[in-house]
Amino acid sequence: DIQLTQSPSFLSASVGDRVTITCRASQGISSYLAWYQQKPGKAPKVLIYAASTLQSGVSSRFSGSGSATEFTLTISSLQPEDFATYYCQQFNSFPFTFGPGTKVDIK
Amino acid sequence: QVQLQESGPGLVRPSQTLFLTCAVSGGSITSGSFHWNWIRQPAGKGLEWIGRIYDTGSTNYNPSLKSRATISVDTSKNQFSLQLSSVTAADTAVYFCVRGMARNWFDPWGLGTLVTVSS
Repeated sequence: DIQLTQSPSFLSASVGDRVTITCRASQGISSYLAWYQQKPGKAPKVLIYAASTLQSGVSSRFSGSGSATEFTLTISSLQPEDFATYYCQQFNSFPFTFGPGTKVDIK
Repeated sequence: QVQLQESGPGLVRPSQTLFLTCAVSGGSITSGSFHWNWIRQPAGKGLEWIGRIYDTGSTNYNPSLKSRATISVDTSKNQFSLQLSSVTAADTAVYFCVRGMARNWFDPWGLGTLVTVSS
């Protein structure tokens, strides 16, 4: 299985901060990576797919980059509604796997 | 827009079979290059992909479930289902049904249904 690791596991930030989350894959996954946002008690919501493509309807303050084994999700200016847990997920090979998540909390 | 809704028992006894159904509304389960997935999340933990099915009936599963999972589709009812046999407490989780698009994304997700395995 392809293992995804995320760093940091937890980060505390303020409204307006620029935030970057890293996802690393145990082997190359081309650009078959998506990012999701999950709020407590809710289902995840896709933000980015194909590593860098913004899903329709998602704010442009979210951006993604990377390929092969290293990927980043950046929030350019953190807003109150962005406090949540973020997961990366790969579609390169079966079984599809998710990273362990990064919780973004209010400083 | 497409919406998904899970249904099924909230409590399953150990060693029994968990059975969930996902009703798809707002679109046909046979349209497009979509696949139909089950993903679960134990309380306070991360997400685990269980498996997927196409409208043709073609399936893929997570080997971690050791062949206990079976996903089926009923195109006449516009729904798909999950059976998970020989359940244990480790199968207690929120189960989501989710549409997948090629190798791009999972979207939309159902609201999720909590299944507890307990005697």
